[in-house]
Amino acid sequence: SAVISQKPSRDICQRGTSLTIQCQVDSQVTMMFWYRQQPGQSLTLIATANQGSEATYESGFVIDKFPISRPNLTFSTLTVSNMSPEDSSIYLCSVYLRDKANYGYTFGSGTRLTVV
Amino acid sequence: GQQVMQIPQYQHVQEGEDFTTYCNSSTTLSNIQWYKQRPGGHPVFLIQLVKSGEVKKQKRLTFQFGEAKKNSSLHITATQTTDVGTYFCAGPDNYGQNFVFGPGTRLSVLP
Repeated sequence: SAVISQKPSRDICQRGTSLTIQCQVDSQVTMMFWYRQQPGQSLTLIATANQGSEATYESGFVIDKFPISRPNLTFSTLTVSNMSPEDSSIYLCSVYLRDKANYGYTFGSGTRLTVV
Repeated sequence: GQQVMQIPQYQHVQEGEDFTTYCNSSTTLSNIQWYKQRPGGHPVFLIQLVKSGEVKKQKRLTFQFGEAKKNSSLHITATQTTDVGTYFCAGPDNYGQNFVFGPGTRLSVLP
């Protein structure tokens, strides 16, 4: 399976500011996924990031709020913009190795964001 | 859209007792995956089931996919404190592109 390095692991941010989360994968992958996990809740897909094209956002998430970059096949960033306390959550990046069907999703270690 | 439900939401067991979590979908699933998330950790892939009626075992964990491919279960025999965490099932979305995660079952094991 892939190994994903995600940073920062946690941050406390002032409302109105932005935070950029980075994910580095140890192998080339076509798609990277960004999830949000609110405290005690399940995982909700924010968007799918493809190299060389704009990210595809799920219902309820917009590019202005969560801009994503995907400059190459091993790296992606998610920015949480103009933060409010409601954005306090864990953000996870993930890859899915579709050519090895039994591996499922591999997740980064997550970024625990607190907005004050 | 596609929804995957899980019961129970929480389960507290005494160490050594068995534990089962159930996953249900309103539609037929081509496959289903199970993940475990330890407290403070990230989800870790456990297994994927594809075939109707499939049963797979990983040591004390037994995974089952229903005959109609609309439900699945994860059974842990003789729980240990290392089994503590939240267990998620995930099924393909309506487009078959991504997976939708269930709400999870949080397991506590009392020593």
